[in-house]
Amino acid sequence: EDQVTQSPEALRLQEGESSSLNCSYTVSGLRGLFWYRQDPGKGPEFLFTLYSAGEEKEKERLKATLTKKESFLHITAPKPEDSATYLCAVKISNDYKLSFGAGTTVTVRA
Amino acid sequence: DAGVTQSPTHLIKTRGQQVTLRCSPKSGHDTVSWYQQALGQGPQFIFQYYEEEERQRGNFPDRFSGHQFPNYSSELNVNALLLGDSALYLCASSFRGNTEAFFGQGTRLTVV
Repeated sequence: EDQVTQSPEALRLQEGESSSLNCSYTVSGLRGLFWYRQDPGKGPEFLFTLYSAGEEKEKERLKATLTKKESFLHITAPKPEDSATYLCAVKISNDYKLSFGAGTTVTVRA
Repeated sequence: DAGVTQSPTHLIKTRGQQVTLRCSPKSGHDTVSWYQQALGQGPQFIFQYYEEEERQRGNFPDRFSGHQFPNYSSELNVNALLLGDSALYLCASSFRGNTEAFFGQGTRLTVV
């Protein structure tokens, strides 16, 4: 069965302390890997799509990278407003659904 | 440009009742997917509607049903509510199911 695993479950950072979140996947025929940000009680907000190993995408303090088995979301010099749960999801060939990991909850203290 | 909108935002129902949730997709999108998100979990796929038909379904019982209208909006119906149906219900839209999915703010359903 396809699996998406995110680690760590929770991450507490000091403002300015850079770190990385991991999303590992065991799927056949990856068609895309997606990162979302979710604030408490809200719907996920789309961040990035990665399609092939070696691809990188950046947005403000966030950078996502993809290998054949995992993706990393790097947060550079985070600010308190970066506090959220970050969700990773995959889509595979001949399938329309997104399969999500459980998320990493990031808390950035001032 | 309005994004994905869902209604209502919160709902409290009694066990055994039926509920209908509504979703309007982002402008230019024609495909709607529904997800259930329990507390502390990632969203779980319920089903996807495209061209007014259910195109794909996840591992949810027949108590969960849906509909898509000609204007691409969609409804999710849940019959015979159970306490375990309490969750955040998310609607996501995309173009033909092949582009990035954008989510609404969700409907928080509480079954008592």
